[in-house]
Amino acid sequence: SAVISQKPSRDICQRGTSLTIQCQVDSQVTMMFWYRQQPGQSLTLIATANQGSEATYESGFVIDKFPISRPNLTFSTLTVSNMSPEDSSIYLCSVVKGATNEQFFGPGTRLTVL
Amino acid sequence: QKEVEQNSGPLSVPEGAIASLNCTYSDRVSQSFFWYRQYSGKSPELIMSIYSNGDKEDGRFTAQLNKASQYVSLLIRDSQPSDSATYLCAVASGYSTLTFGKGTMLLVSP
Repeated sequence: SAVISQKPSRDICQRGTSLTIQCQVDSQVTMMFWYRQQPGQSLTLIATANQGSEATYESGFVIDKFPISRPNLTFSTLTVSNMSPEDSSIYLCSVVKGATNEQFFGPGTRLTVL
Repeated sequence: QKEVEQNSGPLSVPEGAIASLNCTYSDRVSQSFFWYRQYSGKSPELIMSIYSNGDKEDGRFTAQLNKASQYVSLLIRDSQPSDSATYLCAVASGYSTLTFGKGTMLLVSP
């Protein structure tokens, strides 16, 4: 597995603002992903963070709303832009290390938009 | 559209019993199957992965896979109150992204 940290752990934001969430891993990983988990729901994949290139977004998610960076093999950021109350959710990063496709999750960022 | 179905529960079992959690999936080419445990307010924790038909045991946990029936299950033996959590089934096709089920809540009563 890997030790994964996310910052901030939680935040309360005003609508119309943006928040950048950081994901840091203690060692190099093969792949990094960003998920959203709305209250009482399962996990929905937002995008795959690609090192050195544009992220690959899932249907329903766009780069203008959720810009993602991954400058190296241990770090990624997700920005939630122009937030609305519907963006209130837990945002999780996950990583794959090595040749398997086992994913390990960070502790999550709990976002509340007022 | 890839789908992963789980009974939402709650599944209630007494302490010491066997808890059986089930999952079906729609994509026939799925190759990798995972069970995650998620405590309330925490992130998912990988507890089992299985890739071949049959059983895979790890301590009190046994994962069972039947690709012909597109069915994967998780058995928890000697259930403990600390096993009370939501269990998420996840499926991947090849080296690709995971599709998660909505999870089954397990309640183990002392």
